[in-house]
Amino acid sequence: KNEVEQSPQNLTAQEGEFITINCSYSVGISALHWLQQHPGGGIVSLFMLSSGKKKHGRLIATINIQEKHSSLHITASHPRDSAVYICAVQIQGAQKLVFGQGTRLTINP
Amino acid sequence: NAGVTQTPKFRVLKTGQSMTLLCAQDMNHEYMYWYRQDPGMGLRLIHYSVGEGTTAKGEVPDGYNVSRLKKQNFLLGLESAAPSQTSVYFCASSNSGRAPNNEQFFGPGTRLTVL
Repeated sequence: KNEVEQSPQNLTAQEGEFITINCSYSVGISALHWLQQHPGGGIVSLFMLSSGKKKHGRLIATINIQEKHSSLHITASHPRDSAVYICAVQIQGAQKLVFGQGTRLTINP
Repeated sequence: NAGVTQTPKFRVLKTGQSMTLLCAQDMNHEYMYWYRQDPGMGLRLIHYSVGEGTTAKGEVPDGYNVSRLKKQNFLLGLESAAPSQTSVYFCASSNSGRAPNNEQFFGPGTRLTVL
């Protein structure tokens, strides 16, 4: 079993819909990262959080440490949000990240 | 600032050939990483470095070697390429290995095909 599991693996939605991507992990962590990989391949960091909630524009990330679960929400989704969203965790005491398999999001106009 | 750059962007090798991938960062980051990305799998760490002159093995180090002779550069070498090493390779760097300063900045990737 992977230490980091994302769901769903693929998600297709219509423009304007509210999107939720989930990430569950099975180990103790010091931080959780959400990243976005564009169709061209580039990877950018969206959020790093260790508790609570962060918001940037239409993106919101939440984490529940007790439940070992994080969610990434996109409000008023747009075709330009189409990308692969990757969850990664930093295991406590380690200096490396462990990555989920990614969720491929497609937003249709 | 260019951020993290990788060369080359694409390469095709024959089995048994060798090559070196170069990663360069201009953010004065201490930590640098090499990952490979394969279909259906998450990014997997090959090797990493916590500072100039240091290297350490990651999750999938076999068949690869690395060097960090200069702080800004991290080289990934394949001594004898195998078809199983066909992948997209990403380099990343971060200021630290621990939160909250461990946001990783990624290069654009190198697509390697081994025939």
